[in-house]
Amino acid sequence: RKEVEQDPGPFNVPEGATVAFNCTYSNSASQSFFWYRQDCRKEPKLLMSVYSSGNEDGRFTAQLNRASQYISLLIRDSKLSDSATYLCVVSTGGGNKLTFGTGTQLKVEL
Amino acid sequence: DTGVSQDPRHKITKRGQNVTFRCDPISEHNRLYWYRQTLGQGPEFLTYFQNEAQLEKSRLLSDRFSAERPKGSFSTLEIQRTEQGDSAMYLCASSPTVRVEGYGYTFGSGTRLTVV
Repeated sequence: RKEVEQDPGPFNVPEGATVAFNCTYSNSASQSFFWYRQDCRKEPKLLMSVYSSGNEDGRFTAQLNRASQYISLLIRDSKLSDSATYLCVVSTGGGNKLTFGTGTQLKVEL
Repeated sequence: DTGVSQDPRHKITKRGQNVTFRCDPISEHNRLYWYRQTLGQGPEFLTYFQNEAQLEKSRLLSDRFSAERPKGSFSTLEIQRTEQGDSAMYLCASSPTVRVEGYGYTFGSGTRLTVV
């Protein structure tokens, strides 16, 4: 079983739609949680951190459920420019090593 | 330049040749990481350094792979006797030592290796 599991998609949604991505992680000792965005053939870039209390950044909302070891990302009013792969990421251990899911591909269409 | 830089951006090599990649982290970051990413997969951890000390290596890092960070600044990743399965994007990232709440890594643009 992979440490971080995501539905690879693709999710094809019309512009303006709300889309949700889910992710589960297997290591209960994981300490920090993130969503990264990766455009085609580019490096991953931090989208947002995920806190236990839930957090929001504009159209993006992230939630963490430690008991279920589950992380989510909600994108409201999706834009064409949101088309990318969204990587669920957890950090475990003192070295701050990040473990990535395989990514969920989002395509926002006109 | 305040970002992580990697060189070269692209490398095409023949099977069996040796290749070396370089990473220059953000100057105030003590930690440096190497990851490998193949098509359709997320980045996979290879190794990381705190200053010049290599503190962890993944089982993915076979004997053909070696990484160094001799002065605690830039790092090199060498692959000896390359195989077609080594074709991937090699990503370098850096982070500060002190955990900052919500701080992830900063990645470089990567080196795309193609072994023919």
